[in-house]
Amino acid sequence: QKEVEQNSGPLSVPEGAIASLNCTYSDRGSQSFFWYRQYSGKSPELIMSIYSNGDKEDGRFTAQLNKASQYVSLLIRDSQPSDSATYLCAVKTPPGAGSYQLTFGKGTKLSVIP
Amino acid sequence: DTEVTQTPKHLVMGMTNKKSLKCEQHMGHRAMYWYKQKAKKPPELMFVYSYEKLSINESVPSRFSPECPNSSLLNLHLHALQPEDSALYLCASSQENLGGELFFGEGSRLTVL
Repeated sequence: QKEVEQNSGPLSVPEGAIASLNCTYSDRGSQSFFWYRQYSGKSPELIMSIYSNGDKEDGRFTAQLNKASQYVSLLIRDSQPSDSATYLCAVKTPPGAGSYQLTFGKGTKLSVIP
Repeated sequence: DTEVTQTPKHLVMGMTNKKSLKCEQHMGHRAMYWYKQKAKKPPELMFVYSYEKLSINESVPSRFSPECPNSSLLNLHLHALQPEDSALYLCASSQENLGGELFFGEGSRLTVL
């Protein structure tokens, strides 16, 4: 059973601070990693993907991947109230015959306090 | 504006009804997906269509019947559902076959009475 673990939160940060969201995964064969943002009552939206060790930056978002530690994180700089949402970590392993493995974590709820 | 469109946005049906959820993507993607999401839970994969052929069925009950009329359209036919099937049903597409970069529609919120 492939597992993706996230702290469910809620994670509360003040406006302007850095929010740090963490995710660990169990399958060492995992190759692709994704962060989705989901506002309450809405559908998930892809915000970051990362495939190799290190950091990947996109605006205020930075994804960090450490395959040796089986750890992926998302940093949100200068957090805004509009960043308040649930963040889903998703991990993809190579498909076997007839299989498709994109495993979602349970999500971390982020609350940015004005 | 989303490029994956789902209709209807809300649906209420009785346990004896037959209804359909519809999804259309205008992104030229090769794979399309149906997910089910209950409150405070992550999305659960139901079906994957790859090049218009059903490639993944995650042991979904037969009261859910998917259909892919062409590369842009995906339907989910519903029949004899149970109240526990009430959920948000999400359609998604991806450029890569069986990819991880999924583009979701806004979802169809289903209530079964």
